[in-house]
Order: sequence, then C-alpha cells, then structure tokens
Amino acid sequence: GAVVSQHPSRVICKSGTSVKIECRSLDFQATTMFWYRQFPKQSLMLMATSNEGSKATYEQGVEKDKFLINHASLTLSTLTVTSAHPEDSSFYICSARGRLRGGTDTQYFGPGTRLTVL
Amino acid sequence: AQSVTQLGSHVSVSEGALVLLRCNYSSSVPPYLFWYVQYPNQGLQLLLKYTTGATLVKGINGFEAEFKKSETSFHLTKPSAHMSDAAEYFCAVSGGTGNQFYFGTGTSLTVIP
Repeated sequence: GAVVSQHPSRVICKSGTSVKIECRSLDFQATTMFWYRQFPKQSLMLMATSNEGSKATYEQGVEKDKFLINHASLTLSTLTVTSAHPEDSSFYICSARGRLRGGTDTQYFGPGTRLTVL
Repeated sequence: AQSVTQLGSHVSVSEGALVLLRCNYSSSVPPYLFWYVQYPNQGLQLLLKYTTGATLVKGINGFEAEFKKSETSFHLTKPSAHMSDAAEYFCAVSGGTGNQFYFGTGTSLTVIP
C-alpha cells in the first residue's frame, strides 16, 4: 500500500487565494521531504528540500515567499501556495525519505496534487 | 553534479513487440538509478532501481534495465509490450536512495494494437 499520502488530490481555487497541500509519511518517520512540480507533459522539477524542524532549502528560481514549506513533524510536511495565480497551476508531488520497517534509507513518492487556479 | 537524458520523448511499439526506452546519465558519484512509470493524473510508481551489485535489474510488470557504466546508460526494456504499458516513463539518478533525485524529461510510450 501507499507509504506517502498527499491531501488534497485535486484542488481548484480562485486567483489570489492560498492553498495548502499536505504530505504525510505513513508507517515511517521522514527526516527529509522533497517537493516537486510537474507541468503538463514535462518532467518533475525539484522545488525545495525540507528537513524536520528547520527551514526548507529552495532551488534556484523558486520563490520562497510564494511557496511556503513547513516540516513541523517527522511525518508531515506542508506546501502552501500563497496568492495563487493561473501560472501556478501544476501537479505537485512530494517525496519522503526514511526507512520503512527497518529497511534501507529510501525515498518514497506521494500520489501528487493537481492544483488548478482559475 | 548529476543529470539524466532520455532519448526520444515519444516511443510507439506494436503490442507484443520489444520495448526499449533509453536513458543516459551523468554523475560525479556512483549513481543510483531508477525508472518510474506515471499514468495520467497519477503519481510515480517505481518500476525498478539499481543501487549496487548485479547490473541487470528486474522490476515489476516484466520490465528490466541494465546498468552499463562504460556507456553511462540505464536503458529500460520489456520483451513484449502490453496495452497496459502505455504511460509516461521517467528515468532518474541520485547520489543515494535518500538523496535528491534528478529526473529525465520522460518518454511517452504508446502501444499500438
């Protein structure tokens, strides 16, 4: 079964509003979580890396004030898209790094969240 | 620094034919290599991965890939394509299974009946 969940799976919002996306690791503690963005017909691009209890590290060109990331616990990271605009419409995928049931350190991907900004 | 190049953004094969999706990588450290499949409006599903050891890796759904260090390649193959294999395939490289992933641009596989 799934080891990383994302909520919501789909969200439609009006331009100017803020949207929060949750990423949860199930059955394991995620010391690091990654947020990716995928435009239609394109690859995944890393947006930021977050470690529990510390500030996220953003990739070049990603606005930290627009994409707020909070990794408040070892099982939850949130991505908030502030003042969303139509160009922020995309598929957002998180991944969580950890050890599942005593296994090796592995990265597990969530199912993604489709954001549509009208 | 690490990067991945997937040759061919679109590949079409007939049902029952060989599937070959190409991936070349660049890595300054021993690479960990992955193939993921993505169906429309869904997340990534791990097909297979190479970390260390045997260079021929077998994955789910009959797929396999061979790590060739001399060619810096990790091509994905399947002997006989099935209609359900139609999807987007991504090759990725990492410096470790828990480290940042670098994805290729993806290859869209179409299976012709």
